Parts: sequence; C-alpha cells; structure tokens
Amino acid sequence: DAKTTQPTSMDCAEGRAANLPCNHSTISGNEYVYWYRQIHSQGPQYIIHGLKNNETNEMASLIITEDRKSSTLILPHATLRDTAVYYCIVSRGLIYNQGGKLIFGQGTELSVKP
Amino acid sequence: SAVISQKPSRDICQRGTSLTIQCQVDSQVTMMFWYRQQPGQSLTLIATANQGSEATYESGFVIDKFPISRPNLTFSTLTVSNMSPEDSSIYLCSVLRSNEKLFFGSGTQLSVL
Repeated sequence: DAKTTQPTSMDCAEGRAANLPCNHSTISGNEYVYWYRQIHSQGPQYIIHGLKNNETNEMASLIITEDRKSSTLILPHATLRDTAVYYCIVSRGLIYNQGGKLIFGQGTELSVKP
Repeated sequence: SAVISQKPSRDICQRGTSLTIQCQVDSQVTMMFWYRQQPGQSLTLIATANQGSEATYESGFVIDKFPISRPNLTFSTLTVSNMSPEDSSIYLCSVLRSNEKLFFGSGTQLSVL
C-alpha cells in the first residue's frame, strides 16, 4: 500500500473551514484514499473515502487531485469537538479474503481554537 | 454503524503473565482486525482475525506472542502472552461493515508492571 505524508499539526479557528492536506504521490490506480480521525482516548472514527472523484458526506468533503497524488479533507465549519488526530490512509480496499487492510501513519493533529 | 464491545476496558498486569482481550460485535462481520496503539503513537496493525482459520499477522507480530481466535463471525479474542512493560498499550478491535468502513471498539488499556 502507498505511503502518505501529512503535516504533523495544524490549527484552525472555530467556525472556519479546516483544510487538511495529504500527499500520496506513489498511489496506484486501484487504491482508495481514506480519512479517519481519533479524538483523544477514543477509537478511530471513519470520516470519508474516495477513489477518483471528489466525495462529500455529512461530516466532510474529500478533494482528490486529478493525478491522484494528493488530496485534501475539508471540514466546512470546524468546531471545538473536531479537535483530533486526522489520518489519511491509502489502501487497495477492504475486500474480504483479498488481504485488504488499513495501515495508519502518524496523522495530523488538528487543534480547533475558539 | 456497529456496536463493538471490548473487555476488559483496562487492566494492570504483572510481567510474565498473559491477558486475553475479548471483542464482541452486535452482528456478523466478515473482517476483524486487531491494532495496538503505544503511548503517544499511531495505530499499528497486529493481525487480521480470520473466521475458521489462523490469523494473518503483520511483520513484527507472531502467533506465539499474540494468539488470536475467531470462532464465529461476531467474536474474537487477542491474547498478549508473557507480557513485559513494552506491551503496555491500548489494544483495539476493529470490524469491517458495509462500504469499506472500519469501526473500532473503545479499546483495552493495558499496563504491565
């Protein structure tokens, strides 16, 4: 699975959009981009994932560049409760009996400030 | 979503002993994984728990140290054997639900003295 590079930490003002970048320049054509977050003392939480197209759900938007070598997770209106470590993961998918798995990197520690 | 119950939630153990962690899911799932999170670190995948067959371990993890059972599609155990202080970590069970989403239990915080 391709490796990812994320900034170690970021700050964001409450109510503003948080844009978290991820570089995955060695991504393969069949690999997805996943985002998870981990709020202190809790298990990780799924946010969003995508293959080629931009994706949006109730939590966030995922913007993937045309060459797929980088992506950005957007939290449109960050709140204090969004303070967490955000993990960008690249994987060929969680397909039963095909060895799929998610390998977590170091992530970005996002601090949302009042 | 998935309801994942892990037991115990925390434990303090003596060096050289073993601890078995249980993971119970509220419905059948195809894929279950065990992760470890050492203090201040990211998550590390230990193994994929396969139903009806031996677990698939990641590099650096061996069955003798971390035996895993998965007798059915809703339950798995991870044993941490012959513990040392370096095994002090949070151990997390995770399951795959629909559409590529992994759900995680709240974890077992293990301290080894």
